[in-house]
Amino acid sequence: QVQLQQWGAGLLKPSETLSLTCAVYGGSISGYDWNWIRQPPGKGLEWIGEINNSGSTSYHPSLKSRVTISVDTSKNQFSLKLSSVTAADTAVYYCASGGSTDWFDPWGQGTLVTVSS
Amino acid sequence: QSVLTQPPSVSGAPGQRVTISCTGSSSNIGAGYDVHWYQQLPGTAPKLLIYVNSNRPSGVPDRFSGSKSGTSASLAITGLQAEDEADYYCQSYDSSLSSSVFGGGTKLTVL
Repeated sequence: QVQLQQWGAGLLKPSETLSLTCAVYGGSISGYDWNWIRQPPGKGLEWIGEINNSGSTSYHPSLKSRVTISVDTSKNQFSLKLSSVTAADTAVYYCASGGSTDWFDPWGQGTLVTVSS
Repeated sequence: QSVLTQPPSVSGAPGQRVTISCTGSSSNIGAGYDVHWYQQLPGTAPKLLIYVNSNRPSGVPDRFSGSKSGTSASLAITGLQAEDEADYYCQSYDSSLSSSVFGGGTKLTVL
């Protein structure tokens, strides 16, 4: 049974780059699609983007200019980078398995990232 | 303003049946894209509840069921229990945005 464990810096200043990593346990990262999803405090879920089993990426239009999702198959991990963060990027960030046209399962435990000067 | 529209809240007494609607458009649910549902308990990550409109993952009680018709989908919960109190989200794909999209979420209160 695949499990995801994520980590990264929890406090950033405006204009810095958010960096999170998600490790895949109990299965291979190859051959599957991997996503990042975020949830601002007290609000709903927002899909950020995915990297598919071919290594192609797709991102939410509103974040496309600032987002990079990558995979490190040697470490069985995938990562999220979001540049030039502002307070509006404050959220719990989740990694999840699944294609953007499919369902997401399983999910990581979530990482709260706060952007504050 | 979510692409998929859900009621902000629903409530019901223990043992009752409640439904949560998820309304989309011709670029997502109406275009034939599947709908999936998640349950989020306070302080935890969302958990897959229903996939491909009406399928339950192993371990999800059959009190939970999903359906889809036209540009909408629904989640039904029968025999309400206190442990069902949570936020519920629908999810689909939108071809105009080329993105996966979520509903705004519905808070279920068990009275």
